[in-house]
Amino acid sequence: SSELTQDSAVSVALGQTVRITCQGDSLRSYYVSWYQQKPGQAPLIILYDNNNRPSGIPDRFSGSSSGSTASLIITGAQAEDEADYYCNCRDTSGFHVVFGGGTKLTVL
Amino acid sequence: QVQLQESGPGLVKPSETLSLTCSVSGGSINLFSWNWIRQPAGKGLEWIGRIYTRGTTNYNPSLKSRVTMSGDTSKNAISLNLYSVTAADTAVYYCAREVGTTSAFDIWGQGTVVTVSS
Repeated sequence: SSELTQDSAVSVALGQTVRITCQGDSLRSYYVSWYQQKPGQAPLIILYDNNNRPSGIPDRFSGSSSGSTASLIITGAQAEDEADYYCNCRDTSGFHVVFGGGTKLTVL
Repeated sequence: QVQLQESGPGLVKPSETLSLTCSVSGGSINLFSWNWIRQPAGKGLEWIGRIYTRGTTNYNPSLKSRVTMSGDTSKNAISLNLYSVTAADTAVYYCAREVGTTSAFDIWGQGTVVTVSS
């Protein structure tokens, strides 16, 4: 399958750690990237190649990938982290791109 | 720094062609791959396709029969044509730069809303 599956919604208490997962067969072969999207804004890349942060992304964001599951981990979630999070990678053909359905993160 | 700006009609009639342009400033389109991604209101992201070296394209298999992309080096812009549109094509359309070969989209345009309606 070339689909990526994410939980539709996750919540975390302020200051606590949360894991957002992304599952799919193509993750066995290809790197994953993660994006944060706030209402009315374009997505923002927060991790690429499984666990690399672009400049300016706080180090509370980290990632991992093993087998068919990739994870985005937010250590010490802040109120401003409340957003939708999407994963993406190549599909099993290697030519196309697939996105997960997105996870809505609520910070309590 | 590189910036992307999408432009095009905000309203397209059913069965007609949706045509958008992504103007790239601060860098050449001859470098990197350039992608179109869309997002219906309240829904997730859907990859439409990419254009890269010498105009090579890859398209989402689900849209392949209705999509073409091209690049104009004189205008430093890429374009998207989506044919025979229906209401299901109503969405925010983004262009994005892809770095490397791992489908990491590091720079996005602000997006442009396209509504398909008569």
